[in-house]
Amino acid sequence: DTEVTQTPKHLVMGMTNKKSLKCEQHMGHRAMYWYKQKAKKPPELMFVYSYEKLSINESVPSRFSPECPNSSLLNLHLHALQPEDSALYLCASSHSGGGGTEAFFGQGTRLTVV
Amino acid sequence: AQKVTQAQTEISVVEKEDVTLDCVYETRDTTYYLFWYKQPPSGELVFLIRRNSFDEQNEISGRYSWNFQKSTSSFNFTITASQVVDSAVYFCALSEATGYSTLTFGKGTMLLVSP
Repeated sequence: DTEVTQTPKHLVMGMTNKKSLKCEQHMGHRAMYWYKQKAKKPPELMFVYSYEKLSINESVPSRFSPECPNSSLLNLHLHALQPEDSALYLCASSHSGGGGTEAFFGQGTRLTVV
Repeated sequence: AQKVTQAQTEISVVEKEDVTLDCVYETRDTTYYLFWYKQPPSGELVFLIRRNSFDEQNEISGRYSWNFQKSTSSFNFTITASQVVDSAVYFCALSEATGYSTLTFGKGTMLLVSP
């Protein structure tokens, strides 16, 4: 079983809704990541948090708003999404933010925007 | 810029066959890390292996083996005696040695193992 837990597993939301994706890890990792994966495509990096500070924002639209309340939790707040934002959203964590440390992924949230 | 190429989009084999998944990478860094991840239909990316650029030793783990050749910028993955449970999408990925552990993924190879 994955040690990175994401909730919910599935989410259907309208374009005017506000929702949040949650990610939790208890491995003591200090770096956490959000990736977006469209069908039949590889994951694409969205955000990186290192020691609870946003370190990388890969030019993601402001309708996606990340939050890292503590070292174990990572949220992704969603507002006014578009149908093209429908995808699998994957959370990951690694021991530190240093390059080369393996990242462990959750099972993802399958998001459908209608 | 970093790039990972997995030329095989989909491979179909029959159970017990051996199969090799190809991965070719490009980077200007002298120090870097290579990874393989497995993504079953459930969606989770499962870490399989990490290799740094200074370690060209091949590795074997059960039915899995990896061949890293720096001279050809390749990091190929072989499954021996494939099983139905090996059916998944396999991603090869590249990470810089500094900064954050962000991954540049190849497009993935879907492996279908039939009974």
